[in-house]
Amino acid sequence: AQRVTQPEKLLSVFKGAPVELKCNYSYSGSPELFWYVQYSRQRLQLLLRHISRESIKGFTADLNKGETSFHLKKPFAQEEDSAMYYCARSRGRILTGGGNKLTFGTGTQLKVEL
Amino acid sequence: DVKVTQSSRYLVKRTGEKVFLECVQDMDHENMFWYRQDPGLGLRLIYFSYDVKMKEKGDIPEGYSVSREKKERFSLILESASTNQTSMYLCASSLPSSSNQPQHFGDGTRLSIL
Repeated sequence: AQRVTQPEKLLSVFKGAPVELKCNYSYSGSPELFWYVQYSRQRLQLLLRHISRESIKGFTADLNKGETSFHLKKPFAQEEDSAMYYCARSRGRILTGGGNKLTFGTGTQLKVEL
Repeated sequence: DVKVTQSSRYLVKRTGEKVFLECVQDMDHENMFWYRQDPGLGLRLIYFSYDVKMKEKGDIPEGYSVSREKKERFSLILESASTNQTSMYLCASSLPSSSNQPQHFGDGTRLSIL
């Protein structure tokens, strides 16, 4: 079964400290990896995807195929980064209509303290 | 900007009732998804649809059914609601594409079964 593991339910850091949210995935083919974020009272939204190799809101994530990891990092945490973060991987194509189903991890609640 | 609208933010129903959760998207997306979101379990896929009248079971379809009569609307049906179906339900949609397009989520429906 394709799995996504986020080992930390809760991660608490101080403002200005570095942040690393861990994500490991089960190896199967060449999946695409995503990070989604849900701020308090807002809808779940895409933060970044590995194929874009971009930095969003100061966050980056590098796909490490050897370690099957896709950890999310930010050098200096801000109070507004407090949110629930979900790692997700693609799994198998929807044969008609294109696109892909996703497997989500269980999420990590990031709390940035002043 | 993609808009995914779920008809109710909060819903309270009784055990044994037939419950309908509605979702509408305005971007002509082929793919639509229903998830439930539970603390410690992340997002789990209930059903998805890749075209009008086309649907496939996700990971936890038991006790649920879906309807996709029009492209923009995807309904989740709890045939006979039970207390273990108390949860947050999220609807999402995505473009069909040879590459993975992100899923766009609604605000969610918090359903309580008494």
